Amino acid sequence: NAGVTQTPKFRVLKTGQSMTLLCAQDMNHEYMYWYRQDPGMGLRLIHYSVGEGTTAKGEVPDGYNVSRLKKQNFLLGLESAAPSQTSVYFCASSYHRGGEQYFGPGTRLTVT
Amino acid sequence: AQSVTQPDIHITVSEGASLELRCNYSYGATPYLFWYVQSPGQGLQLLLKYFSGDTLVQGIKGFEAEFKRRHSSFNLRKPSVHWSDAAEYFCAVGAGLGGYNKLIFGAGTRLAVHP
Repeated sequence: NAGVTQTPKFRVLKTGQSMTLLCAQDMNHEYMYWYRQDPGMGLRLIHYSVGEGTTAKGEVPDGYNVSRLKKQNFLLGLESAAPSQTSVYFCASSYHRGGEQYFGPGTRLTVT
Repeated sequence: AQSVTQPDIHITVSEGASLELRCNYSYGATPYLFWYVQSPGQGLQLLLKYFSGDTLVQGIKGFEAEFKRRHSSFNLRKPSVHWSDAAEYFCAVGAGLGGYNKLIFGAGTRLAVHP
C-alpha cells in the first residue's frame, strides 16, 4: 500500500496562475482532508470530504476549491494564486469520523 | 469554539532525559485527542490517541499521554528521550458537526535533543 500520496511535491507559481494539487489514497477511506501548514500556526483545515461526490468547507476555505469525483482522489484547486497561499499543503484520509487520519508527505507551494 | 494550546514553542532536552510536552484543549463535549509527530520535510505520523476509557494511553516509540478532564489537558510524556525524537509535535482535538471528522491542531512544539 502506498497510503496517501500527493502530487506534486514542490511548485512555484506566479500571482494569478492556477494549479491543482492531487491527493490519492489506496486505503478505501471515506473521509479526506486538505490542510495548510504555516509556521507557528499548526495545520488548518481548508476543505474536507465525507465521501465520493461530497465536499465541505473547513477553517480557511477562501481562494480554494475541491472536488471528490472518485473515492480515492481529492483535488485541491487554486484558481488565482496569491502570495498568501504560499504554504505547505497536506492531504489526509481516515476510514471513519473520529478515526486516525493518515497524512501524505506534503506539497510545498510558493507563490511569487 | 474548539481550540488547542501548546504553550511551549521550543523545548530542548538532553538525550536520556525525561520529556513532557503540554497540551490544553477547549471543547464542549468529551474530546477525541491525538498527538502527531512530524520529522523535518515529512508528513505527520500518529503517536497515540484517546477516545475513551483508560485516561493513560500508550503510543508508539515509547510515548504515553494522560487525559485529565479537570485540567482540560492531554500532556505527552517519554521517560528517556532519544536523539531520533527530535521533531515537531502536534496535539489535536477531534471536532465536528455530529461527529469527529475534523481535527483542530495546536501550533506545535519543536523538540531539540542534545547529545
